[in-house]
Amino acid sequence: NAGVMQNPRHLVRRRGQEARLRCSPMKGHSHVYWYRQLPEEGLKFMVYLQKENIIDESGMPKERFSAEFPKEGPSILRIQQVVRGDSAAYFCASSPPNENTEAFFGQGTRLTVV
Amino acid sequence: AQSVTQLDSHVSVSEGTPVLLRCNYSSSYSPSLFWYVQHPNKGLQLLLKYTSAATLVKGINGFEAEFKKSETSFHLTKPSAHMSDAAEYFCVVSARVQDYKLSFGAGTTVTVRA
Repeated sequence: NAGVMQNPRHLVRRRGQEARLRCSPMKGHSHVYWYRQLPEEGLKFMVYLQKENIIDESGMPKERFSAEFPKEGPSILRIQQVVRGDSAAYFCASSPPNENTEAFFGQGTRLTVV
Repeated sequence: AQSVTQLDSHVSVSEGTPVLLRCNYSSSYSPSLFWYVQHPNKGLQLLLKYTSAATLVKGINGFEAEFKKSETSFHLTKPSAHMSDAAEYFCVVSARVQDYKLSFGAGTTVTVRA
């Protein structure tokens, strides 16, 4: 059972471009979380999704950011018209639909906006 | 609502001496609590978890944590630090009865002196 797979590991975008970050959860996991880690800071919750549903997006910026977790395929975090302040590490985690189960994290995607 | 406060942003210890990382939480429901470790430029790895069973939890690499409901604390300890313990540590709370969102502390950076 492969772990949580995120790609790409590193992504460089120019200001104004779009960034698409992908996350394949572990087999059997139907819950996906996205977190952002700014330099020298802790992880900040962005969005929690289950298959085809956004459950909690209270940590997502209101503009330019969107996330989806389709029935088939990976979860996608999409950032439109990136700005320098979007440069960060973006971590995806997945968990099964069970009580008291930890989330498993991917290696992260490091986004650099130039 | 739930939140986590890690009381020390940085801890420095000598190799072979004890490590104590302090964490206080708040939660409206019975929480699950976790400690994760993040080595530089790596993803997050679970050290240990508390899920309403034994209050003293043993984890990997010699770490353990004690859940104290009266003090709303979940401090992480290790009797003897190793150079490989230098990393960032995150205390995490999840009140899964309420929602499945993991709430992270700001992190504690551990440095180990030879």
